[in-house]
Amino acid sequence: GAVVSQHPSWVICKSGTSVKIECRSLDFQATTMFWYRQFPKQSLMLMATSNEGSKATYEQGVEKDKFLINHASLTLSTLTVTSAHPEDSSFYICSARPLYEQYFGPGTRLTVT
Amino acid sequence: GENVEQHPSTLSVQEGDSAVIKCTYSDSASNYFPWYKQELGKGPQLIIDIRSNVGEKKDQRIAVTLNKTAKHFSLHITETQPEDSAVYFCAAIISGSARQLTFGSGTQLTVLP
Repeated sequence: GAVVSQHPSWVICKSGTSVKIECRSLDFQATTMFWYRQFPKQSLMLMATSNEGSKATYEQGVEKDKFLINHASLTLSTLTVTSAHPEDSSFYICSARPLYEQYFGPGTRLTVT
Repeated sequence: GENVEQHPSTLSVQEGDSAVIKCTYSDSASNYFPWYKQELGKGPQLIIDIRSNVGEKKDQRIAVTLNKTAKHFSLHITETQPEDSAVYFCAAIISGSARQLTFGSGTQLTVLP
């Protein structure tokens, strides 16, 4: 089946630093990748949609200068949380769509101290 | 835009019993309906999906039914096992469009041994 990987699975960083999260589709090409944020016991909140080779489309209320997304190839997208603050602590999940189906990565737990 | 409502929010069943989770959607143009299972600390896993040209789909102990007229679809899990305990999300989308999945709010299923 289609596999999406994320790295790292968890990260702890200090306020003011930046953190990069990688998302890879391992066995398929994904022209579109998505980044979600999930708070405890809540549904997934879409942050942005990225298409290979073009700028990401951010959802309303998501700061594009804070959450930098780069979709460098058909199998790799990265999310960089810049100048992280404790309120950025969350579970970040990427997703990739080869055709109709959409597959999710295992998620990255970010804790900002 | 699309709106997906999911019920119940929590569901407890005895091992071996059946579990049913229901979702309704608002956009009659939606034609692809996936179901995801999310275990604690992990990303959502696609477990079954259905397209609007089909009324029912089954995969071992899991089945999904779709009523396009009433705009609702349901997940059925038979012979539940403790490992079925997780949060289940339904979603809807117009496949092939540039739109994103619209998720339900999730159902915490607990299978009691």
